[in-house]
Amino acid sequence: NAGVTQTPKFQVLKTGQSMTLQCAQDMNHEYMSWYRQDPGMGLRLIHYSVGAGITDQGEVPNGYNVSRSTTEDFPLRLLSAAPSQTSVYFCASSGGFLSAGANVLTFGAGSRLTVL
Amino acid sequence: GDSVTQMEGPVTLSEEAFLTINCTYTATGYPSLFWYVQYPGEGLQLLLKATKADDKGSNKGFEATYRKETTSFHLEKGSVQVSDSAVYFCALTITGGGNKLTFGTGTQLKVEL
Repeated sequence: NAGVTQTPKFQVLKTGQSMTLQCAQDMNHEYMSWYRQDPGMGLRLIHYSVGAGITDQGEVPNGYNVSRSTTEDFPLRLLSAAPSQTSVYFCASSGGFLSAGANVLTFGAGSRLTVL
Repeated sequence: GDSVTQMEGPVTLSEEAFLTINCTYTATGYPSLFWYVQYPGEGLQLLLKATKADDKGSNKGFEATYRKETTSFHLEKGSVQVSDSAVYFCALTITGGGNKLTFGTGTQLKVEL
């Protein structure tokens, strides 16, 4: 089925470890983004990309890196994990600004990360 | 900046009760408004949207009307079911601002028999 695929679904890290959350979409969407979801705070935008080779920071980018080498993939990297990064992470994509699906995000199922 | 304020939950209702979840916003430009729903263990799904003042979005028996004069987008359903139990998020994006959404904190709805 077409959609947004995130891996892994669950991950436990120790402080200082690094890891990459993977995100892939097969809808040829130009726009991709990463959000984190924390209790009482809703979803906050970490990084986003409007197309291959273009990325930009969202509301809470510190401690995270992204790249967009292809239209399909948008990995999120934690270089040195901290307990404050314990959260549920969602990848989301949508069509480009001029497309019919602009502004309507399709979300992945989420990745639950715990940093000890 | 842009922000969305939702009523706090959890909201607990009996099946067939009337539902209202309040949502108000502040925006630096002209917003489009959305309601997303998150079922347990899943990602968010678009429930409905409205792109200009006085528009009414509707889906699966849920409705919300874009009220520019009160900067509100309240979600309503006339008769809730147990299957409507989920977390509901109000969100906005600014026209011309790309696809970046600003979300409210979410309202958990529990519907009991």
